[in-house]
Amino acid sequence: ELKVEQNPLFLSMQEGKNYTIYCNYSTTSDRLYWYRQDPGKSLESLFVLLSNGAVKQEGRLMASLDTKARLSTLHITAAVHDLSATYFCAVLESNTGNQFYFGTGTSLTVIP
Amino acid sequence: GAVVSQHPSRVICKSGTSVKIECRSLDFQATTMFWYRQFPKQSLMLMATSNEGSKATYEQGVEKDKFLINHASLTLSTLTVTSAHPEDSSFYICSARVGGQTQYFGPGTRLLVL
Repeated sequence: ELKVEQNPLFLSMQEGKNYTIYCNYSTTSDRLYWYRQDPGKSLESLFVLLSNGAVKQEGRLMASLDTKARLSTLHITAAVHDLSATYFCAVLESNTGNQFYFGTGTSLTVIP
Repeated sequence: GAVVSQHPSRVICKSGTSVKIECRSLDFQATTMFWYRQFPKQSLMLMATSNEGSKATYEQGVEKDKFLINHASLTLSTLTVTSAHPEDSSFYICSARVGGQTQYFGPGTRLLVL
């Protein structure tokens, strides 16, 4: 059974601080996605990582992928309150018809 | 970018009634649509994969007779929750796939069964 685990599940951090969210998965997929979800809303696509060693950055967020370690990270730099949301990673499982399997989610609260 | 809509965005119904949720790809044709369910403060769980013109494929533990999925055209998939009960209250999100892997998510439908 494919598992996608995120760490931590809950994160409270002060504005201006840095932190990393980890996403571990159990399949050999080399496609990983990061999404943001605000309360009561659907998913907003943040990053698509398509190969080992891929690194993408947008504003204060940077995502990376290590397919050998089956690990992706989402790094937050100098957090601001607007980043408060729940972040999900998702793995594309090509062996089962290109289905997404979502991580457990990380609820981030940035404190002013 | 590709847009996926869902209707209704929110629905309240009585226990025992059926509710239909529509998922439409507005500016593209989607051969495959996915239905997810999300309980409060939990992740998205894939319920079923819907292919146009064929029967949906349900994930383990999802009752196909309770959650009826119809993918009648390349732009529309519907999810009908039959004989809804309070435990079916959840946030239902659909997504549509374009090409090989790219998925676009709908805005979600919040169902509350009283």
